[in-house]
Amino acid sequence: AQKVTQAQTEISVVEKEDVTLDCVYETRDTTYYLFWYKQPPSGELVFLIRRNSFDEQNEISGRYSWNFQKSTSSFNFTITASQVVDSAVYFCALRLSGSRLTFGEGTQLTVNP
Amino acid sequence: GAVVSQHPSWVICKSGTSVKIECRSLDFQATTMFWYRQFPKQSLMLMATSNEGSKATYEQGVEKDKFLINHASLTLSTLTVTSAHPEDSSFYICSARVPLSSYEQYFGPGTRLTVT
Repeated sequence: AQKVTQAQTEISVVEKEDVTLDCVYETRDTTYYLFWYKQPPSGELVFLIRRNSFDEQNEISGRYSWNFQKSTSSFNFTITASQVVDSAVYFCALRLSGSRLTFGEGTQLTVNP
Repeated sequence: GAVVSQHPSWVICKSGTSVKIECRSLDFQATTMFWYRQFPKQSLMLMATSNEGSKATYEQGVEKDKFLINHASLTLSTLTVTSAHPEDSSFYICSARVPLSSYEQYFGPGTRLTVT
């Protein structure tokens, strides 16, 4: 069975601070995909990134970066120079070779001005 | 591309009535759609997988007679909450799988159901 753990329920930072959201996953499969989604107060899920299990390269997209480490089964997400608009719930998710997504519990990020 | 819509975006109904939520893939054909439920401050929980032209597959603990799913066309799946009760109040989100895309899912904007 697969599982995703986001140990941080809530994080509060001040604008311009860097913040890292943790994600730890469990699976016995060797082929899998990891995702991060943002859910603003409106509720709509916004896709941020997908990473497959064979690609451990870190990725940077603007102020966002992701650190994938298979050795620790982690896929952490860092926001650099956070902004108020980054305030949202962020979900990490795992998908095996089929379509089924398993979501973590989510991390509520609040960026204060 | 790969846009998924849901209708209505929010609905309030009285206890005991039924409510239908539509999920449409606007610019692609989706043979598989998924229905999720999200309670306040909780994660998304998969309710069922809907395949066009066949019966939906429900997750353990989800009442198939209460949550009727119909996927009659390649662009439309519907979720009907029958005899709704206040505990069914939740945020319902659908997603559609894009064919030939390594099983990627695109999510609808969600429907907030309040049962009074």
